Amino acid sequence: DAKTTQPPSMDCAEGRAANLPCNHSTISGNEYVYWYRQIHSQGPQYIIHGLKNNETNEMASLIITEDRKSSTLILPHATLRDTAVYYCIVRVGVQGAQKLVFGQGTRLTINP
Amino acid sequence: GAVVSQHPSWVICKSGTSVKIECRSLDFQATTMFWYRQFPKQSLMLMATSNEGSKATYEQGVEKDKFLINHASLTLSTLTVTSAHPEDSSFYICSALTGGFYEQYFGPGTRLTVT
Repeated sequence: DAKTTQPPSMDCAEGRAANLPCNHSTISGNEYVYWYRQIHSQGPQYIIHGLKNNETNEMASLIITEDRKSSTLILPHATLRDTAVYYCIVRVGVQGAQKLVFGQGTRLTINP
Repeated sequence: GAVVSQHPSWVICKSGTSVKIECRSLDFQATTMFWYRQFPKQSLMLMATSNEGSKATYEQGVEKDKFLINHASLTLSTLTVTSAHPEDSSFYICSALTGGFYEQYFGPGTRLTVT
């Protein structure tokens, strides 16, 4: 699976949009981009995933560049409860290759 | 969304003893479950992949005789830490795949402290 690079930490004001970047310049055509987050001392929580097109769900939006070498997770109106470590993971989206390899992630702090 | 539980949520055991951690998928059947370990201020490290009815696949560097994994049913996988030592103290997290393979759901984790 392709390697991802994320900034170690970010801050965002409550109520503002939080934009978390991820670089995955070696991604291949059949690899999906996944985002998970981990709130302190809890198990990771699935947020969103995508292949080529931008995706949106009730939690966040995922913007993937046209060349697929980078992506941005957007939390449109960040709240204090969004303070967590956010992981960007790239993996092949086929049966039998489902394991997730976690990098160091971005520690996002939402400030009041 | 799908719910995965772990039991116990925390456990303290003496050095040399064994401890079993359970991972259950509550509202779905999971043919594949994963076990991770996380040390303080570090990321999750995949330990093994557990498939129902077959032997677990361990990641490189993980001792299969020390970390025994059993996936006897479609809703239950267990991790047994044998002859625990203080360096085994960690946060152990399991996850399970639903029928659709896109989403992997994680349990709340088990904090193990070996004294």
